[in-house]
Amino acid sequence: DAGVIQSPRHEVTEMGQEVTLRCKPISGHDYLFWYRQTMMRGLELLIYFNNNVPIDDSGMPEDRFSAKMPNASFSTLKIQPSEPRDSAVYFCASSLARLTASYEQYFGPGTRLTVT
Amino acid sequence: DAKTTQPNSMESNEEEPVHLPCNHSTISGTDYIHWYRQLPSQGPEYVIHGLTSNVNNRMASLAIAEDRKSSTLILHRATLRDAAVYYCILRQRWGAQKLVFGQGTRLTINP
Repeated sequence: DAGVIQSPRHEVTEMGQEVTLRCKPISGHDYLFWYRQTMMRGLELLIYFNNNVPIDDSGMPEDRFSAKMPNASFSTLKIQPSEPRDSAVYFCASSLARLTASYEQYFGPGTRLTVT
Repeated sequence: DAKTTQPNSMESNEEEPVHLPCNHSTISGTDYIHWYRQLPSQGPEYVIHGLTSNVNNRMASLAIAEDRKSSTLILHRATLRDAAVYYCILRQRWGAQKLVFGQGTRLTINP
């Protein structure tokens, strides 16, 4: 199994540009999570999906952020327009709900975003 | 979400056991205790979880207090590769499946 795949691994863009981060979850997993990590705020959950449907987007900072999951094997996190304060490492994670309700999340390697 | 409290940092020596504490005095009866760790420049990875009884796996052991208000992650023989930030997280057994990460404990292993 290749694990959770994220692309790009690094992204440098100028303020005002649109940024799209991509994630391929582990095959068969039914939950997908997007996190953001900064030194100041630590690791924060932005949004998560169950069976491709957004369940909780309360962590999305503002309307500039949007996430989609068009199918079970692909998700995007888009920032438009980007701002310097969006600079962070963005992680995608996936998991499989089990009857024990005690599943684990598998994280991707992250995308390091720098907005200048 | 119930809150956990961990020391900001700990230090240990290679090949010695490490005990990482976590306090969770407001834990509910249906909360699982999860531990994740984040190695430098990597995403977090699952370590272990438990509900009431102590748990062992190939990575670590989890000792849960009888009143469940605290727990300890035990690395039996630390290696340099165990240097990471360790997060103790409470997760609801039913309902929301999200994890809420705190600041964790930064573990340094001395050679």
